[in-house]
Amino acid sequence: AQSVTQLDSQVPVFEEAPVELRCNYSSSVSVYLFWYVQYPNQGLQLLLKYLSGSTLVKGINGFEAEFNKSQTSFHLRKPSVHISDTAEYFCAVSESRYSGGSNYKLTFGKGTLLTVNP
Amino acid sequence: KAGVTQTPRYLIKTRGQQVTLSCSPISGHRSVSWYQQTPGQGLQFLFEYFSETQRNKGNFPGRFSGRQFSNSRSEMNVSTLELGDSALYLCASSLDSQGMNTEAFFGQGTRLTVV
Repeated sequence: AQSVTQLDSQVPVFEEAPVELRCNYSSSVSVYLFWYVQYPNQGLQLLLKYLSGSTLVKGINGFEAEFNKSQTSFHLRKPSVHISDTAEYFCAVSESRYSGGSNYKLTFGKGTLLTVNP
Repeated sequence: KAGVTQTPRYLIKTRGQQVTLSCSPISGHRSVSWYQQTPGQGLQFLFEYFSETQRNKGNFPGRFSGRQFSNSRSEMNVSTLELGDSALYLCASSLDSQGMNTEAFFGQGTRLTVV
C-alpha cells in the first residue's frame, strides 16, 4: 500500500514569488508520481508526472518537480507564480507496472491550497 | 477531442434514496475509475473498470457499486444514501495500452448533496 503526505495544507505567496509545494510518499514498491491541480468546482488537471528516467520533470504552466528516491519526495516548484495559479494542488502515486501491482489506482495526498496574492 | 463527461453536474437527494451517476470516457479509453472527494477524507478511490469488468476496488461499503458498458461508459450507483455520502464524485478515464496506465484524465465531477 502507498501513502502520500503533503506537508502544507495552505501556502500563501505573493505574485511573482517562487513557490514550492512539498510531497512525500511511502511505498514498498516502485511507483509513478503525479501532481494534479484543481480549480474551484472543477475536476483535476494533470500538471506533470514522473514515470522513469530524468528525475527533473517539467509540466504545464511553468511547473516542475523533482523526484528524490532516497528522500521519497516529489516536490513541486514554480519560479514565479501568477494570480491564476491560485488553486488546490494534489500529489498522487500509483504502483508502477513493474511492481506487479495495480497502476490504475491513484492514492492522493490531502492537498495544498496555493493562494497567490497581488 | 472531447474530455471526460460526467452527468449530472449537481444532484440533491434525500437520505435513504438511491442515485446513479454517469461517466463517458475519452474516446478510445477503456479504463474508467471513480473517486470520492470530501473535505474530511480527501480523494478516495472507489473502483476501476476495464472491458466491463471491475479490476480494482477501494474500501467502500457494498452500497457503492458500479458497472461499465461495452462502449466503455460507466455508471456508479449508491443505494440507501446517507448524509456522509455528500461529496464530489470524480470519474477518470485512462488509455490502457499494453496493460500500462500512465495518466488519468478527470471529468468535472458530480456534486451530490444528501439532505
